[in-house]
Amino acid sequence: EVQLVESGGGLVKPGGSLRLSCAASGFTFSSYSMNWVRQAPGKGLEWVASISSSSTYIHYADSVKGRSTISRDNAKNSLYLQMNSLRAEDTAVYYCARDGAVLDGRNFDYWGQGTLVTVSS
Amino acid sequence: QSALTQPASVSGSPGQSITISCTGTSSDVGGYNYVSWYQQHPGKVPKLMIYDVTYRPSGVSNRFSGSKSGNTASLTISGLQAEDEADYYCSSYTSSKTEVFGGGTKLTVL
Repeated sequence: EVQLVESGGGLVKPGGSLRLSCAASGFTFSSYSMNWVRQAPGKGLEWVASISSSSTYIHYADSVKGRSTISRDNAKNSLYLQMNSLRAEDTAVYYCARDGAVLDGRNFDYWGQGTLVTVSS
Repeated sequence: QSALTQPASVSGSPGQSITISCTGTSSDVGGYNYVSWYQQHPGKVPKLMIYDVTYRPSGVSNRFSGSKSGNTASLTISGLQAEDEADYYCSSYTSSKTEVFGGGTKLTVL
């Protein structure tokens, strides 16, 4: 059974930093691209970042580019999101999502339960 | 990258069919056959319902179908059931190799 478990969320002050983690199990982690998707309270989904299976290709949404770094450790079956210079508008539930696309394109076939990040003074 | 445009809400009676539209540009929806649809019940995790415009993942009811014409993709749900009441989001791969979601559509089953 595919499982994605996020951790690392919490309350942080504006300008602060946070590192989110996602522990994957139930599939060959090193074979899949992975993503972070967030959802502000009461709002819609927003794609944040993606990383290819071997970390060769990395892409970010404009809203986090330059402030966030996505990374992975295939030996530990783990995905990470380092977020710096956090702003109130970064407040959201952050989901780890597996990319089910075989070749090109992207789709999120498995999602974690999410971890809440609250940016507030 | 601007969000894809979806109607804020749609509604239908049990047994009816409804269609949710998702409008983008030639740089996303119109340029690639990589549109996905997600269902999210309140307080729950999103669930993939359609990928690559028309394909259903294993386990998703065949009452859900997807299509695309030009810059607009559509999700159709036939034989509407009470359990279909949820928020629905479209997403598309883009020319920048990023991903963009729609604003979401709240489906109410009357």
